[in-house]
Amino acid sequence: DTEVTQTPKHLVMGMTNKKSLKCEQHMGHRAMYWYKQKAKKPPELMFVYSYEKLSINESVPSRFSPECPNSSLLNLHLHALQPEDSALYLCASSQGDRASGANVLTFGAGSRLTVL
Amino acid sequence: AQSVTQLDSHVSVSEGTPVLLRCNYSSSYSPSLFWYVQHPNKGLQLLLKYTSAATLVKGINGFEAEFKKSETSFHLTKPSAHMSDAAEYFCVVIGIYNQGGKLIFGQGTELSVKP
Repeated sequence: DTEVTQTPKHLVMGMTNKKSLKCEQHMGHRAMYWYKQKAKKPPELMFVYSYEKLSINESVPSRFSPECPNSSLLNLHLHALQPEDSALYLCASSQGDRASGANVLTFGAGSRLTVL
Repeated sequence: AQSVTQLDSHVSVSEGTPVLLRCNYSSSYSPSLFWYVQHPNKGLQLLLKYTSAATLVKGINGFEAEFKKSETSFHLTKPSAHMSDAAEYFCVVIGIYNQGGKLIFGQGTELSVKP
């Protein structure tokens, strides 16, 4: 299995809702990432988990709450979002905890979030 | 700090003609460079990577890129475009020091392929 699987593919939520995005990989990768991508822009790093511990938080607002229940799963809990949070949310994983020439990131297909 | 600049925001070619997507990098050290492709409403897929081995790197789907230190360039080429190549392409460098271990993305080049 060489894939990163993200669910749901599409999510529409109101500003008062609580929802979650899920990401799963079975490649034995020990680092997992959340990126946010606005239309026609490159992805922006949000969080990095290394060996199930949060290692990087790129000053993301607390309405986004990541969780790594085990080495194969990564969640992003969403609460009280704003319309400007509408974007494609990409999950990725890699063998080690720092990207390098030998440590390539594998990306999922993304979850497209719309906040009304 | 490491950075990459993609010189064209949009490139349009006809099917069967060559593709050239340009990327310049800035790095104090020998960089690790990548090209990723993103088809509409999809995730990113690795096309190829340079990690200080051979300067001409071959990737998937007939793409290749040449690392030129003297020109600080890592341009992506393909001899003959196919309709399925229409997508967004990102040139990426690995950050070091205070950017340690992070992917530094260019702004992207949208490739259109006309029949």
